[in-house]
Amino acid sequence: DSGVTQTPKHLITATGQRVTLRCSPRSGDLSVYWYQQSLDQGLQFLIQYYNGEERAKGNILERFSAQQFPDLHSELNLSSLELGDSALYFCASSVSRGGYQETQYFGPGTRLLVL
Amino acid sequence: DQQVKQNSPSLSVQEGRISILNCDYTNSMFDYFLWYKKYPAEGPTFLISISSIKDKNEDGRFTVFLNKSAKHLSLHIVPSQPGDSAVYFCAASAGVGGTSYGKLTFGQGTILTVHP
Repeated sequence: DSGVTQTPKHLITATGQRVTLRCSPRSGDLSVYWYQQSLDQGLQFLIQYYNGEERAKGNILERFSAQQFPDLHSELNLSSLELGDSALYFCASSVSRGGYQETQYFGPGTRLLVL
Repeated sequence: DQQVKQNSPSLSVQEGRISILNCDYTNSMFDYFLWYKKYPAEGPTFLISISSIKDKNEDGRFTVFLNKSAKHLSLHIVPSQPGDSAVYFCAASAGVGGTSYGKLTFGQGTILTVHP
């Protein structure tokens, strides 16, 4: 158990809908990261938040947004969902700003299926 | 542009023997490298890491080697056990001087199967 929790574990929804994925980092960790794992793209970095502020951005679609709250949990919002958004979404956390010699610990993931 | 590559999609090894998983990278800004193990329906689990100032790091049965000139790293598992059967990902980050501090770039993964 990494100490990172994610809810829900599974999510089934329809095209055009909006969903929210939730992540709680390990106790004491200040950074939260979101990754998407699809069959053809592997694990892709979406976005990082550090202590409530956006720190780094990857290949995140404009339909997707995230935030980190004062208690450090994070939410990833996916809207106008398309079939191609079906994937595993992982959250990870690390102790500080991220980068050199800073390990990220991953949650169990949320499996999203868009029908 | 795939900056981290694991060219072997799968590897099959006998229990007790050595497993060697390989990873190549192209971005010379990468300065920290990690290996993760992943079981189906679970998140990646951190195994071992190495910073660019080292060429070897050991933790129990796991050793990671880094060859910076070749932009190559490898994970050695000795002895291999059936419980090691999983997908192994290498990942890299460019912390110093980069603008994507926390971003991990992952390889495509190698499926390791250890036969009893």
